[in-house]
Amino acid sequence: DTGVSQDPRHKITKRGQNVTFRCDPISEHNRLYWYRQTLGQGPEFLTYFQNEAQLEKSRLLSDRFSAERPKGSFSTLEIQRTEQGDSAMYLCASSLGGDRRYSYEQYFGPGTRLTVT
Amino acid sequence: AQKVTQAQTEISVVEKEDVTLDCVYETRDTTYYLFWYKQPPSGELVFLIRRNSFDEQNEISGRYSWNFQKSTSSFNFTITASQVVDSAVYFCALWGFQKLVFGTGTRLLVSP
Repeated sequence: DTGVSQDPRHKITKRGQNVTFRCDPISEHNRLYWYRQTLGQGPEFLTYFQNEAQLEKSRLLSDRFSAERPKGSFSTLEIQRTEQGDSAMYLCASSLGGDRRYSYEQYFGPGTRLTVT
Repeated sequence: AQKVTQAQTEISVVEKEDVTLDCVYETRDTTYYLFWYKQPPSGELVFLIRRNSFDEQNEISGRYSWNFQKSTSSFNFTITASQVVDSAVYFCALWGFQKLVFGTGTRLLVSP
């Protein structure tokens, strides 16, 4: 399978705990994106990387959220001190990238569904 | 600011009917990209089409067709002879300032 993969697919955690999600992009893609999707809404942009550099962060990404892509391959998204409002589907996408004015199509992974109790 | 509006929350059709999903966008960029994605019940977003702002040609791919009109800032999606497998949520998205902005989606229900 050469698509975008995410792990875990489901995570249930208690409020106040930390969680970490992993995304493995399509191997030749140098851009990696994180989105959050709540019920009945479209995905909302959180952050993106070009290679290992984090180039853009949404205001949605509070101080409790941190994302890394240490070697320009897989990425992790960590949420510290989870709150019930963090319950959502967290989606990862990857694409080719070069000139920042140009957009290639983004391919999405299956998502990680987080439930905070 | 970038904004995508999908005014149709849910559409129900009977198999073999044609259906058009509307998308209206707002942007101040002169160069931008528009996308359609399909999200079936399994949840994974499936890329359907990308269109850049300089290319207003309509596109047809099998039963799918897209109508891009800059004059009305619209990028509508038509499914001809709908099938039950077309049942899904469809999202229109606008790329600008290096991020995708999605609409709220249109849920399409195709019954046999």
